[in-house]
Order: sequence, then C-alpha cells, then structure tokens
Amino acid sequence: TQLLEQSPQFLSIQEGENLTVYCNSSSVFSSLQWYRQEPGEGPVLLVTVVTGGEVKKLKRLTFQFGDARKDSSLHITAAQPGDTGLYLCADKSVGYQKVTFGIGTKLQVIP
Amino acid sequence: DTAVSQTPKYLVTQMGNDKSIKCEQNLGHDTMYWYKQDSKKFLKIMFSYNNKELIINETVPNRFSPKSPDKAHLNLHINSLELGDSAVYFCASSQSREARNYGYTFGSGTRLTVV
Repeated sequence: TQLLEQSPQFLSIQEGENLTVYCNSSSVFSSLQWYRQEPGEGPVLLVTVVTGGEVKKLKRLTFQFGDARKDSSLHITAAQPGDTGLYLCADKSVGYQKVTFGIGTKLQVIP
Repeated sequence: DTAVSQTPKYLVTQMGNDKSIKCEQNLGHDTMYWYKQDSKKFLKIMFSYNNKELIINETVPNRFSPKSPDKAHLNLHINSLELGDSAVYFCASSQSREARNYGYTFGSGTRLTVV
C-alpha cells in the first residue's frame, strides 16, 4: 500500500514570507497532483505533474517533481492570507483512476 | 452554476438511523466517487463508479450502499448509522478513466454527525 507523507503538518507564517511544503511517497508516483482545500469546501486541483524533474508554476506557486518521481515540493513566494488552507498531495493511478491522498499540510498565513 | 453539488450540506442524526446523501455533476464526466474525510482531514476513497458501473469498493462496511441511476448522479445510502460514521463525505467526478492529467472536481462536502 502506497504511503504519502507530507511535511510539515502545520505551518503558520506571516504575510509576505516564503514557504515550502513537501510530499514523499513510499513508491513511484503514477502522476502527482496538488490540491488546496479551504474550510468548508472540497479540494481544488492546483496542478498535475507527470515527468521526473518537472517544474510547474502557477502565479506565486512553484511545484517541483523529484527526478525519481517519489517526492515533490510546493514553494509559495510572498504568501498571502488567501493562500490559507489545507494543501494535499495525491497520486493518481492509471487504469481505474484511483487517487490516493496524503494527510496534508495545514497552512495559515497571518495578515 | 455548481459543477458537483451535494445535498444536504449538514446532516445530524441519531445512531441506528438510515440516511442518504445525494450528488449530481453537470460536467459531463463519466466517473464519480465518494470520499470520506475524517477528523484529522485524511481523505480516503470509498467508492468509484464509471458510467453507472461500480469499479472501486474500498473495504467499506456493507451498511454503505452507493447507487448510480445515471452517470451524472451518485448517491450514498447509509444504514444503521454508527458514531464512527461521523465525518465529512465528499462526492467527486472526473473526465476520463485513463488520462493521468485529469484531476477530480469535488463537491463542497456533507458533514455527517451521528449522535
């Protein structure tokens, strides 16, 4: 059974600071997805990465996929209160399209 | 216009009761899912349906019975509710069974509290 570990589990920072959160898998990812979940809502897909070493940017968010496709990082530049939420990494398996989620990193950005 | 809608948003009920949660998607997706998010925010898949056919059933107690009358709807019926069933239940849908680049579109969740 694949295990997805995310670190840190909790992060509280001031507005304007930079941060990085991590996701590690016990096995190679089929494809790695990052979601953000705000309180009272469902997760929203931010990005999908498939190729080892791949880097994708979404405004102030930079997603990096490890060369061996077993780890990923999400870097946020100049965090804003609107970035507050639960960040989940997930592995989407081929075939039956099952997505396995990590436990998440809960981010709080203080104004 | 909500893409994946679940009803009700909140559900408080007593142990032993039977309840249903409804889900509808208007995205034209062919695969739908039920996920359970526990108090520690861990999301775990329960069921997956593709074109009304059950394709994933993740060792969920048989008190939980999904039903998909058509590919736009996936309902969840729970019999004999227990305290441990308290959680947030999310419905989701996705476009394609095989494409790795497609993600899920989630509903806003149903918070079930069993007292």
